[in-house]
Amino acid sequence: DTGVSQDPRHKITKRGQNVTFRCDPISEHNRLYWYRQTLGQGPEFLTYFQNEAQLEKSRLLSDRFSAERPKGSFSTLEIQRTEQGDSAMYLCASRRNQEVYEQYFGPGTRLTVT
Amino acid sequence: AQSVAQPEDQVNVAEGNPLTVKCTYSVSGNPYLFWYVQYPNRGLQFLLKYITGDNLVKGSYGFEAEFNKSQTSFHLKKPSALVSDSALYFCAVRANQAGTALIFGKGTTLSVSS
Repeated sequence: DTGVSQDPRHKITKRGQNVTFRCDPISEHNRLYWYRQTLGQGPEFLTYFQNEAQLEKSRLLSDRFSAERPKGSFSTLEIQRTEQGDSAMYLCASRRNQEVYEQYFGPGTRLTVT
Repeated sequence: AQSVAQPEDQVNVAEGNPLTVKCTYSVSGNPYLFWYVQYPNRGLQFLLKYITGDNLVKGSYGFEAEFNKSQTSFHLKKPSALVSDSALYFCAVRANQAGTALIFGKGTTLSVSS
């Protein structure tokens, strides 16, 4: 399997701008997760998809954040009206359905809001 | 609430010596436990997991971990450390309930000196 890929790897934006990140999971992995990681912290869960259905959302996912997985393959995470507090590493992970519980992570997208 | 604690921010060991990175957890129900490693500018890599069965689980790169239910711990171990093991290590937990997100500790930096 090729690994989870994320694009872009780095994004610098000005406060108030919108940004969109893309995640391509490992093929045939029907579960996809987004996490956010800030310096000195472990990843924090944002949202989860099973196929195209968004089944879980963290309270961290404010109404400025929206995620989609329209065809059950790649996913996008959009942040509207970015704030400096949004600066973080955004990680995507995927896993197979049933009986395989470990998640496989992409390299992340580092967002810097100036 | 489910949580994971990694009590040590940093662990220093000499190459060739055994290493232990500590993790304790708090969940309701049976825990699913994981260790991940993060190298600079790379995503999290899965090392090993405990779901059920033997309390000692073996994983990648010679690492193992011991599940202790009475002490609610899942410490990561390796008999002989390598300089290349120097990285950031995360313990994570998922309760076997409806939620599938992983809850991560803050991470422990392992430094192996030659």
